[in-house]
Amino acid sequence: DVKVTQSSRYLVKRTGEKVFLECVQDMDHENMFWYRQDPGLGLRLIYFSYDVKMKEKGDIPEGYSVSREKKERFSLILESASTNQTSMYLCASSFDRYTDTQYFGPGTRLTVL
Amino acid sequence: AQTVTQSQPEMSVQEAETVTLSCTYDTSENNYYLFWYKQPPSRQMILVIRQEAYKQQNATENRFSVNFQKAAKSFSLKISDSQLGDTAMYFCAFMKDTDKLIFGTGTRLQVFP
Repeated sequence: DVKVTQSSRYLVKRTGEKVFLECVQDMDHENMFWYRQDPGLGLRLIYFSYDVKMKEKGDIPEGYSVSREKKERFSLILESASTNQTSMYLCASSFDRYTDTQYFGPGTRLTVL
Repeated sequence: AQTVTQSQPEMSVQEAETVTLSCTYDTSENNYYLFWYKQPPSRQMILVIRQEAYKQQNATENRFSVNFQKAAKSFSLKISDSQLGDTAMYFCAFMKDTDKLIFGTGTRLQVFP
């Protein structure tokens, strides 16, 4: 079974702090994704990556950056956290870029005070 | 731009009954993929079922089946013999060959004993 893990289930940070959210997958998937999930808005794509050191902006990249130094690990970075970044963050991975199912991690619920 | 609409924010069903969740989408593409994902309370999001648009036959997975109406751009999910473990948030999602998943806003399903 595909396993996607995220470093924290719950996280509380203060406004202005730099925040790192880590995601690791164990199935040698090429593609990795970061979403945020908000009530009434569904899931929205922040960034994605098709290969090591590659990244592409999703629909809501502002205020975020990403890093993919190794194939299995994809990090989401909030350079200076703000209260409007309080949300659930979901990581996902897939093998095939165009057609394949995405497998999700358990999510990190981030609260920015 | 593609959009996915789930018009039922919440639904409920009694155990052993059948329930249908609706999803409509908007696209000018001919080839694409549709998904239903399930997110149980405080648990990981998992794939329920997927449908390739070029296939006329409706996808089925055990108690889960879809009614795919390509001309009407409709992709509803039918859950037969509902079980307590079906209680979850259900997301409809669309993907074309740009590989981005576009999610609806979700339907919260409660199964009552």
